[in-house]
Amino acid sequence: GESVGLHLPTLSVQEGDNSIINCAYSNSASDYFIWYKQESGKGPQFIIDIRSNMDKRQGQRVTVLLNKTVKHLSLQIAATQPGDSAVYFCAEGLRAGNMLTFGGGTRLMVKP
Amino acid sequence: DTEVTQTPKHLVMGMTNKKSLKCEQHMGHRAMYWYKQKAKKPPELMFVYSYEKLSINESVPSRFSPECPNSSLLNLHLHALQPEDSALYLCASSQELAGEQFFGPGTRLTVL
Repeated sequence: GESVGLHLPTLSVQEGDNSIINCAYSNSASDYFIWYKQESGKGPQFIIDIRSNMDKRQGQRVTVLLNKTVKHLSLQIAATQPGDSAVYFCAEGLRAGNMLTFGGGTRLMVKP
Repeated sequence: DTEVTQTPKHLVMGMTNKKSLKCEQHMGHRAMYWYKQKAKKPPELMFVYSYEKLSINESVPSRFSPECPNSSLLNLHLHALQPEDSALYLCASSQELAGEQFFGPGTRLTVL
C-alpha cells in the first residue's frame, strides 16, 4: 500500500519482475525530465532523461515514458535486481536555465 | 574524473559555531549547485553558480553563505545555524546551466 506525509510511497517487487515507478509533475512548461536513483547515504545518481518532444526513451534495462497530456512520467525497470533497491526521484525543469524541481520520491524494495 | 566530491562527510556543530562545507569537481563544469535534503524528502535547491557568479538564491537565510573561489570549487559557509538546519547538503554540477546534474555524496550536517 501507499502512504504519504512522513513516509515515502513504497513499491515492493520480486527480484526478476518488472517495476514501474510513477510521477506526476506540476509545470506544463517543463521541457526536460530526469529520473534519479538515491541509495542510502549517497547523493542522487542520474538514470535517464527525456525531453518534452519525445514520449519514450530507452536505456539499459530502463525506459522512461512521458505523457504531457496528463503531466505524467514513469520509469520502467526490467528484470529488477536487489541492487535497484533505492529511492527514485523524478525531476522536471527547463533546458534553458536548468532549474530542476524534484518530485516526492518513491522507495523501491526488491525482494530476493 | 567524473566525480563531485564533498567534504566533510559528516559535520556536527553548535548553534554558535562557524563551519564550511566544500565541494569540488574536475569535469570542467561551469554550473554548480547547493541543495538541502531533509530525511524522506526530495532535494531542495538553495543556490546556483554559473561561471563562478551567483545566478540563483532561492530565498535562503543569510546564515548560509555560498562562495565560488574558482570554477572547480564551491563552498558553503555556515554561521549561527538552527537545529532545523540539520540535513544532508548536496552539491551538484553541470556542464552549463542546462543538462544533467551530477551530484556529490553530500555532507550530513547535525546542528545541536
